Formats: sequence, structure tokens, C-alpha cells
Amino acid sequence: KAGVTQTPRYLIKTRGQQVTLSCSPISGHRSVSWYQQTPGQGLQFLFEYFSETQRNKGNFPGRFSGRQFSNSRSEMNVSTLELGDSALYLCASSVKRVEGHGEQYFGPGTRLTVT
Amino acid sequence: EDKVVQSPLSLVVHEGDTVTLNCSYEVTNFRSLLWYKQEKKAPTFLFMLTSSGIEKKSGRLSSILDKKELFSILNITATQTGDSAVYLCAAEQGGSEKLVFGKGTKLTVNP
Repeated sequence: KAGVTQTPRYLIKTRGQQVTLSCSPISGHRSVSWYQQTPGQGLQFLFEYFSETQRNKGNFPGRFSGRQFSNSRSEMNVSTLELGDSALYLCASSVKRVEGHGEQYFGPGTRLTVT
Repeated sequence: EDKVVQSPLSLVVHEGDTVTLNCSYEVTNFRSLLWYKQEKKAPTFLFMLTSSGIEKKSGRLSSILDKKELFSILNITATQTGDSAVYLCAAEQGGSEKLVFGKGTKLTVNP
């Protein structure tokens, strides 16, 4: 079974631009979560999507948004990029069982550099 | 505020040593505790713990959860250089997919 895939793997943008990152979950996984990883803050939860609906959102400004499609693929968008948005953006998918959520499996991440 | 604290932050050992990594948590509506291994790429899933006192094992790695004292440990026996990585602990909030991560323990295993 193929793992979580993310595109692009690397991205360089300038301040003020916007960016869209893509995530394809493991086949059969319906829940997709996004995380930001930086050396200073570690891994921080951005948001979670299930059945095309955002279920939870972390403590990030409104410049960070996302969506999920009917095939469970997800995109996240960051508008008006700031230098501090430079980070590794990780996507994780899981099987959302009735009694619990199941383990989350991470994709390789998108390394975003803002100059 | 929800938080997960891992200790030590870094650890250097020799091949063959046994190590214990610690993770304490304070998370609203706690559901489960997860351990991940991260090398120069995405975190790789190791364990998910939901019940106190039940040890999970995978080869030389094992982990246990104490829900009363709010901590978990990850043991690695007979360490190898390939075990060198950052080990991340994460606590899951019930009712959501949100994982609250610790800052990780950087393990270096020297030959």
C-alpha cells in the first residue's frame, strides 16, 4: 500500500506570495491532518479534515487554510507569506474508526523556504 | 494549556547500550499516546498506547503508558547506530485528530 504523498517536496517563495501544498493520504484513510515543524516550536497542529470538513484547527492565523476533496486528498494554502512561515509542512492520514481514530501516518513533508 | 514534555532532550550512547526515553503529558481529554521516530524525513510511527500498564513491543523497542501519573517511556535495548534519530512523543486529544507533540529526544548511538 502506498504511503502518504506530498507535493511539492521543496518550495522557495518570497514574502507576500501565497503557496498551495498538496497531500494524498494512504488509500482508505479518510482523515488528513496538517502540521508545521520548525526547529524552535517543534511539530504543531494546523488543522484536520474528515469527509471534506474541517474538524479541528490549531492556533494559527487565518492566513493558513485548507480543504479536502471527495477523494480525501487535501490541500493547504498559506497566503501573504512571512519569513516565519519557513518550515517543514507535514501531512498525516489515518483511518477514522468509530471508536477511535487510529494511528496517524506521516508523509515526507514539503520544505517551504520564504525569502 | 496542553503540553507534552520529553526528557532528556538529547542523549549520546554507545552501541549495545540500553536507553530509556521519557514523556510526560498534560492534555485535555487525553485519548492515546504515540511514539514516532524521525530521521532526516517524516516521522515514522512506532507505537500507539491507550491503556495503562500494557507494554507494547517491537523488536528491541518497547513502550508503556501510565495514565495515572501521566507519562510514558520508550525503551531501546542493544542500541545500534541505525537507532540514531529524534524520537517524538505525542498525546492525542479525544474527539479530534489533534496530536500535541513534545520537542523530541535526539538520540545518537556511536559505534
